[in-house]
Amino acid sequence: EIVLTQSPGTLSLSPGERATLSCRASQSVTSIYLAWYQQKPGRAPRLLIYSTSSRATGIPDRFSGSGSGTDFTLTISRLEPEDFAVYYCHQYGRSHTFGPGTKVDIK
Amino acid sequence: QVQLVQSGAEVKKPGASVKVSCKASGYTFTGYYIHWVRQAPGQGLEWMGLINAYSGGTNYAQTFQGRVTVTRDTSVSTAYMELSSLRSDDTAVYYCARPRTTVTHDVFDIWGQGTMVTVSS
Repeated sequence: EIVLTQSPGTLSLSPGERATLSCRASQSVTSIYLAWYQQKPGRAPRLLIYSTSSRATGIPDRFSGSGSGTDFTLTISRLEPEDFAVYYCHQYGRSHTFGPGTKVDIK
Repeated sequence: QVQLVQSGAEVKKPGASVKVSCKASGYTFTGYYIHWVRQAPGQGLEWMGLINAYSGGTNYAQTFQGRVTVTRDTSVSTAYMELSSLRSDDTAVYYCARPRTTVTHDVFDIWGQGTMVTVSS
Protein backbone atom coordinates (compact mmCIF):
# COMPACT_ATOMS: atom_id res chain seq x y z
CA GLU A 1 0.00 0.00 0.00
CA ILE A 2 1.24 3.48 -0.84
CA VAL A 3 1.34 5.57 2.35
CA LEU A 4 0.97 9.34 2.00
CA THR A 5 2.40 11.71 4.60
CA GLN A 6 1.43 15.38 4.72
CA SER A 7 3.25 18.29 6.31
CA PRO A 8 2.84 20.40 8.20
CA GLY A 9 -0.05 19.06 10.24
CA THR A 10 -1.31 22.60 10.81
CA LEU A 11 -0.41 25.78 8.97
CA SER A 12 -1.34 29.06 10.63
CA LEU A 13 -1.44 31.93 8.17
CA SER A 14 -3.19 35.24 7.54
CA PRO A 15 -5.45 36.08 4.60
CA GLY A 16 -3.37 37.21 1.64
CA GLU A 17 -0.41 35.03 2.57
CA ARG A 18 0.95 32.14 0.49
CA ALA A 19 0.34 28.57 1.66
CA THR A 20 2.60 25.69 0.69
CA LEU A 21 1.42 22.18 1.59
CA SER A 22 3.50 19.06 1.14
CA CYS A 23 2.53 15.46 0.37
CA ARG A 24 5.16 12.72 0.41
CA ALA A 25 4.55 9.16 -0.81
CA SER A 26 6.18 5.99 0.50
CA GLN A 27 6.85 4.93 -3.10
CA SER A 28 6.78 6.66 -6.44
CA VAL A 29 3.38 7.85 -7.67
CA THR A 30 2.77 8.40 -11.36
CA SER A 31 1.98 12.10 -11.59
CA ILE A 32 -1.33 11.60 -13.37
CA TYR A 33 -2.57 9.79 -10.25
CA LEU A 34 -2.11 12.43 -7.55
CA ALA A 35 -4.92 14.75 -6.43
CA TRP A 36 -5.78 17.30 -3.76
CA TYR A 37 -9.08 17.94 -1.98
CA GLN A 38 -10.35 20.66 0.34
CA GLN A 39 -12.71 19.82 3.18
CA LYS A 40 -14.62 22.14 5.47
CA PRO A 41 -16.32 21.04 8.71
CA GLY A 42 -19.46 19.01 8.16
CA ARG A 43 -18.96 18.94 4.39
CA ALA A 44 -17.82 16.35 1.87
CA PRO A 45 -14.38 16.79 0.33
CA ARG A 46 -14.16 19.02 -2.74
CA LEU A 47 -11.80 18.16 -5.59
CA LEU A 48 -9.25 20.91 -6.24
CA ILE A 49 -6.42 19.40 -8.29
CA TYR A 50 -6.00 16.15 -10.23
CA SER A 51 -3.12 14.69 -12.21
CA THR A 52 -0.75 16.67 -9.94
CA SER A 53 -1.40 20.05 -11.55
CA SER A 54 -4.78 20.17 -13.34
CA ARG A 55 -7.40 22.32 -11.66
CA ALA A 56 -10.86 20.85 -11.34
CA THR A 57 -13.83 22.68 -12.82
CA GLY A 58 -14.51 25.98 -11.11
CA ILE A 59 -11.34 26.01 -8.98
CA PRO A 60 -9.70 29.46 -8.92
CA ASP A 61 -6.20 29.86 -10.28
CA ARG A 62 -4.74 30.77 -6.88
CA PHE A 63 -4.65 27.00 -6.34
CA SER A 64 -1.81 25.18 -8.08
CA GLY A 65 -0.18 21.78 -7.79
CA SER A 66 3.26 20.49 -8.65
CA GLY A 67 5.63 17.64 -8.01
CA SER A 68 6.71 14.24 -9.18
CA GLY A 69 7.87 10.86 -7.92
CA THR A 70 7.36 10.90 -4.16
CA ASP A 71 7.09 14.65 -3.46
CA PHE A 72 4.08 16.77 -4.33
CA THR A 73 3.00 20.28 -3.37
CA LEU A 74 -0.23 22.24 -3.25
CA THR A 75 0.24 26.00 -3.30
CA ILE A 76 -2.40 28.61 -2.54
CA SER A 77 -0.91 31.86 -3.82
CA ARG A 78 -2.97 34.32 -1.73
CA LEU A 79 -5.24 32.94 0.96
CA GLU A 80 -8.85 34.05 0.84
CA PRO A 81 -11.07 33.74 3.94
CA GLU A 82 -12.88 30.76 2.38
CA ASP A 83 -9.60 28.84 1.93
CA PHE A 84 -9.18 28.06 5.63
CA ALA A 85 -9.94 24.35 5.71
CA VAL A 86 -8.30 20.91 5.76
CA TYR A 87 -6.49 19.70 2.64
CA TYR A 88 -5.93 16.06 1.69
CA CYS A 89 -3.73 14.52 -0.97
CA HIS A 90 -4.93 11.33 -2.70
CA GLN A 91 -3.14 8.81 -4.85
CA TYR A 92 -5.37 6.79 -7.15
CA GLY A 93 -2.91 4.84 -9.28
CA ARG A 94 -2.57 1.78 -7.06
CA SER A 95 -5.85 1.36 -5.23
CA HIS A 96 -6.66 4.54 -3.29
CA THR A 97 -4.98 6.12 -0.30
CA PHE A 98 -5.25 9.53 1.29
CA GLY A 99 -2.85 11.58 3.34
CA PRO A 100 -3.75 12.50 6.94
CA GLY A 101 -4.48 16.10 5.99
CA THR A 102 -3.08 19.58 6.60
CA LYS A 103 -5.25 22.07 8.43
CA VAL A 104 -4.86 25.66 7.26
CA ASP A 105 -6.13 27.94 9.97
CA ILE A 106 -6.25 31.66 10.56
CA LYS A 107 -3.28 33.12 12.40
CA GLN B 1 -27.35 18.47 -12.02
CA VAL B 2 -25.16 15.51 -11.18
CA GLN B 3 -25.65 14.46 -7.59
CA LEU B 4 -25.45 11.60 -5.14
CA VAL B 5 -27.95 11.53 -2.29
CA GLN B 6 -27.31 9.20 0.63
CA SER B 7 -29.61 7.69 3.22
CA GLY B 8 -29.93 9.10 6.71
CA ALA B 9 -27.96 8.65 9.90
CA GLU B 10 -27.90 5.27 11.61
CA VAL B 11 -27.27 4.09 15.17
CA LYS B 12 -26.29 0.46 15.53
CA LYS B 13 -25.17 -1.87 18.30
CA PRO B 14 -21.82 -3.66 18.19
CA GLY B 15 -22.02 -6.80 16.10
CA ALA B 16 -24.89 -5.54 13.96
CA SER B 17 -24.81 -4.60 10.27
CA VAL B 18 -25.60 -1.34 8.52
CA LYS B 19 -26.62 -0.70 4.92
CA VAL B 20 -26.18 2.77 3.44
CA SER B 21 -27.70 3.78 0.12
CA CYS B 22 -26.46 6.27 -2.47
CA LYS B 23 -28.92 7.41 -5.15
CA ALA B 24 -27.46 8.91 -8.30
CA SER B 25 -29.11 11.42 -10.58
CA GLY B 26 -28.19 13.71 -13.46
CA TYR B 27 -26.02 11.22 -15.32
CA THR B 28 -26.04 7.67 -16.72
CA PHE B 29 -25.62 5.58 -13.57
CA THR B 30 -24.19 2.56 -15.38
CA GLY B 31 -21.48 4.62 -17.02
CA TYR B 32 -19.39 5.15 -13.89
CA TYR B 33 -17.96 3.40 -10.86
CA ILE B 34 -19.22 4.28 -7.39
CA HIS B 35 -16.69 4.34 -4.55
CA TRP B 36 -17.17 4.32 -0.77
CA VAL B 37 -14.94 6.34 1.56
CA ARG B 38 -15.30 6.76 5.31
CA GLN B 39 -14.10 9.33 7.81
CA ALA B 40 -13.98 8.69 11.55
CA PRO B 41 -14.63 11.72 13.79
CA GLY B 42 -11.73 14.15 13.56
CA GLN B 43 -9.79 11.77 11.31
CA GLY B 44 -8.81 11.48 7.66
CA LEU B 45 -10.34 9.73 4.68
CA GLU B 46 -10.25 5.95 4.21
CA TRP B 47 -11.15 4.23 0.95
CA MET B 48 -13.35 1.17 1.43
CA GLY B 49 -14.19 -0.16 -2.01
CA LEU B 50 -15.89 0.33 -5.33
CA ILE B 51 -18.51 -1.09 -7.65
CA ASN B 52 -18.67 -0.98 -11.41
CA ALA B 53 -22.25 0.18 -11.78
CA TYR B 54 -22.52 -1.44 -15.23
CA SER B 55 -21.20 -4.93 -14.49
CA GLY B 56 -21.65 -5.07 -10.72
CA GLY B 57 -18.01 -6.03 -10.29
CA THR B 58 -16.49 -5.00 -6.97
CA ASN B 59 -13.10 -4.37 -5.40
CA TYR B 60 -12.57 -3.87 -1.68
CA ALA B 61 -9.77 -2.50 0.46
CA GLN B 62 -8.01 -5.31 2.28
CA THR B 63 -8.92 -3.70 5.62
CA PHE B 64 -12.59 -4.37 4.96
CA GLN B 65 -12.42 -7.69 3.10
CA GLY B 66 -15.05 -10.06 4.43
CA ARG B 67 -16.99 -7.32 6.24
CA VAL B 68 -18.10 -5.00 3.44
CA THR B 69 -20.42 -5.68 0.54
CA VAL B 70 -21.17 -3.12 -2.15
CA THR B 71 -24.11 -3.73 -4.48
CA ARG B 72 -26.20 -1.72 -6.89
CA ASP B 73 -29.71 -1.64 -8.31
CA THR B 74 -29.62 -0.14 -11.79
CA SER B 75 -33.42 0.15 -11.93
CA VAL B 76 -33.27 2.89 -9.29
CA SER B 77 -29.72 4.17 -9.98
CA THR B 78 -28.68 3.36 -6.44
CA ALA B 79 -25.58 1.86 -4.90
CA TYR B 80 -25.47 0.27 -1.47
CA MET B 81 -22.72 -0.34 1.05
CA GLU B 82 -23.29 -2.90 3.78
CA LEU B 83 -20.81 -3.22 6.65
CA SER B 84 -21.19 -6.14 9.05
CA SER B 85 -19.85 -7.10 12.48
CA LEU B 86 -19.83 -3.46 13.49
CA ARG B 87 -17.41 -2.26 16.16
CA SER B 88 -17.17 1.06 17.97
CA ASP B 89 -14.30 2.11 15.72
CA ASP B 90 -16.61 1.84 12.70
CA THR B 91 -18.30 5.01 13.96
CA ALA B 92 -17.75 7.39 11.06
CA VAL B 93 -19.27 9.39 8.25
CA TYR B 94 -19.61 7.17 5.19
CA TYR B 95 -19.44 8.84 1.77
CA CYS B 96 -20.20 7.55 -1.69
CA ALA B 97 -18.27 9.22 -4.50
CA ARG B 98 -18.25 9.17 -8.29
CA PRO B 99 -15.08 9.46 -10.34
CA ARG B 100 -14.52 12.42 -12.65
CA THR B 101 -14.52 10.19 -15.75
CA THR B 102 -15.36 6.64 -16.73
CA VAL B 103 -11.77 5.41 -16.68
CA THR B 104 -10.71 2.83 -14.11
CA HIS B 105 -8.34 5.07 -12.14
CA ASP B 106 -9.67 8.54 -11.51
CA VAL B 107 -10.32 11.12 -8.82
CA PHE B 108 -13.64 11.67 -7.09
CA ASP B 109 -15.36 14.84 -8.18
CA ILE B 110 -18.93 14.09 -7.09
CA TRP B 111 -19.58 13.17 -3.46
CA GLY B 112 -22.67 12.27 -1.52
CA GLN B 113 -23.53 14.35 1.52
CA GLY B 114 -22.31 11.64 3.87
CA THR B 115 -24.11 9.29 6.24
CA MET B 116 -23.20 9.26 9.92
CA VAL B 117 -23.08 5.74 11.36
CA THR B 118 -22.75 5.52 15.13
CA VAL B 119 -21.91 2.19 16.74
CA SER B 120 -22.74 2.17 20.43
CA SER B 121 -24.09 -0.25 22.99
